[in-house]
Amino acid sequence: KAGVTQTPRYLIKTRGQQVTLSCSPISGHRSVSWYQQTPGQGLQFLFEYFSETQRNKGNFPGRFSGRQFSNSRSEMNVSTLELGDSALYLCASSPGQRNSGNTIYFGEGSWLTVV
Amino acid sequence: AQKITQTQPGMFVQEKEAVTLDCTYDTSDPSYGLFWYKQPSSGEMIFLIYQGSYDQQNATEGRYSLNFQKARKSANLVISASQLGDSAMYFCAMRLLGDDKIIFGKGTRLHILP
Repeated sequence: KAGVTQTPRYLIKTRGQQVTLSCSPISGHRSVSWYQQTPGQGLQFLFEYFSETQRNKGNFPGRFSGRQFSNSRSEMNVSTLELGDSALYLCASSPGQRNSGNTIYFGEGSWLTVV
Repeated sequence: AQKITQTQPGMFVQEKEAVTLDCTYDTSDPSYGLFWYKQPSSGEMIFLIYQGSYDQQNATEGRYSLNFQKARKSANLVISASQLGDSAMYFCAMRLLGDDKIIFGKGTRLHILP
């Protein structure tokens, strides 16, 4: 059974540019969540998508957005990149039933560097 | 609001010794789950062990066990017979049942010494 796949793994962007990251969840999982990890702020929840709808959202500016496709694959987009957006972006996959206990699995993450 | 506290920023442990990583949590919701994840330098968040708030027994997964003390709101991870490959960052995390959002602690960096 394939795990959570995130692409690209590493990327470097310039301030002001935009970036799109992709996450393919485990087959059969309908929920995808995104997290940002930085040395200063730790791991912070960005948003969650379930059945192509945003179901939960963290406290991030509107430059951070996402979407989910009918096959449950999700993308997140960051526009007008700032140096502080440099981080590891992690995607988590789960079946989507909110009482499903421990069935949340993470991908390897996408390392974004903004210069 | 929910909160996870990990008070040990770093730990050094001799190989083959047991190690306990501390975690306390705060929530007023009675239904929640507690997780421990391992994060090597590659960045992947690897699931180790889970404890539900209504579980009567402490969770165990191989060399990992979770010392769950509900009244103290404590969920310490115990790794028995540590190995060099256990060197990594360890995160304690919590999720309310009914919510997919996970709240993470700041993490503990574990170094296993040969």
